[in-house]
Amino acid sequence: DAGVIQSPRHEVTEMGQEVTLRCKPISGHDYLFWYRQTMMRGLELLIYFNNNVPIDDSGMPEDRFSAKMPNASFSTLKIQPSEPRDSAVYFCASSPTGGAQHFGDGTRLSIL
Amino acid sequence: AQSVTQPDIHITVSEGASLELRCNYSYGATPYLFWYVQSPGQGLQLLLKYFSGDTLVQGIKGFEAEFKRSQSSFNLRKPSVHWSDAAEYFCAVAAPDRGSTLGRLYFGRGTQLTVWP
Repeated sequence: DAGVIQSPRHEVTEMGQEVTLRCKPISGHDYLFWYRQTMMRGLELLIYFNNNVPIDDSGMPEDRFSAKMPNASFSTLKIQPSEPRDSAVYFCASSPTGGAQHFGDGTRLSIL
Repeated sequence: AQSVTQPDIHITVSEGASLELRCNYSYGATPYLFWYVQSPGQGLQLLLKYFSGDTLVQGIKGFEAEFKRSQSSFNLRKPSVHWSDAAEYFCAVAAPDRGSTLGRLYFGRGTQLTVWP
């Protein structure tokens, strides 16, 4: 079975540029989560969706961050404009209702 | 508020030795508990989970964990560690979401495991 698929795996871009991270959840999973991992703050939940509807976006750090889930098989996390402090590994995870979360391999983002 | 504490930031063991990683949680109701493992450059892989029932749960790769409500703990154990077990281990607790059994996860800060040959 295909797991959670994230793209790109690595992204290096200059400050001020728009960054779009993509996620394809496991088919049949109705929850989707976006996390950010840094050495300083560990794993932070940014936002999560249930049946494509955002449930909790309290972890989104600023208005520069936005996330969408236009359908059950695709989600994006966008940063515009990007800043060096946004450098981190971003993970997407999905789960069925009542089940455990399954994580993608992450996108390592570097903002120069 | 829900929280998870992993008291040990870094643990070093010799290959073949036993292992116990500690996890304490704070949650006002019946917890749903998880252990994940993360190898370098990889995402988090689920090792095992506790929802209810038998307080000793078995997971993949020979790991097990025991839920102790009186101690608010969910420690991870393995009787004999292999070099390939070197990784970072995360404990997590789930918070119910609008009546469903699971919603968001609250993670500990992780324990880095080093295995000496």
